[in-house]
Amino acid sequence: KAGVTQTPRYLIKTRGQQVTLSCSPISGHRSVSWYQQTPGQGLQFLFEYFSETQRNKGNFPGRFSGRQFSNSRSEMNVSTLELGDSALYLCASSLAQTGAPSEQYFGPGTRLTVT
Amino acid sequence: GENVEQHPSTLSVQEGDSAVIKCTYSDSASNYFPWYKQELGKRPQLIIDIRSNVGEKKDQRIAVTLNKTAKHFSLHITETQPEDSAVYFCAASIPFGNEKLTFGTGTRLTIIP
Repeated sequence: KAGVTQTPRYLIKTRGQQVTLSCSPISGHRSVSWYQQTPGQGLQFLFEYFSETQRNKGNFPGRFSGRQFSNSRSEMNVSTLELGDSALYLCASSLAQTGAPSEQYFGPGTRLTVT
Repeated sequence: GENVEQHPSTLSVQEGDSAVIKCTYSDSASNYFPWYKQELGKRPQLIIDIRSNVGEKKDQRIAVTLNKTAKHFSLHITETQPEDSAVYFCAASIPFGNEKLTFGTGTRLTIIP
């Protein structure tokens, strides 16, 4: 099976702009989670989508949003970009077939630089 | 919410020796504990995981142990090799229908040839 893919891989934006990142999960996986990775804060959970519904949300401002489509592909959007939003944005997919947490597999990430 | 602490932040071991990385978690409801390996410029890769109904799990040179009472879990790598050099992250997840992982801060492991 193909792994998790993310596009674009690299992005440079200016403060105040908005950005949309895309994630295609492993075929058959129904859950997509998004994480922000920075040297200072490590890996932090942004949100999780399952069956087109946001199931959980981390402690990020409302400028960070996302959605999931019927084919399980997911997008996240960051509006009014700030310098501190520069980070590696990772998505992870999992089967999520039972109530117990399942193995999550990460995509290669999108490296966002805000100038 | 859940909090995961990871130690040490850096670890250097001679090739062939063993390496141990330790994590503690705060929420006793956590029941899933994966470990990820991240090489420079690469995505985190799941290397082993353990659930709360198991005390130990092994996969070749890698093992994970879990002490639910003390809320500790540890990664053990034996017979280390240069390709084991990477940053390792532990994580914890609470059940109840969500996949949120709370990560530790990472351990940079360097294998000295």
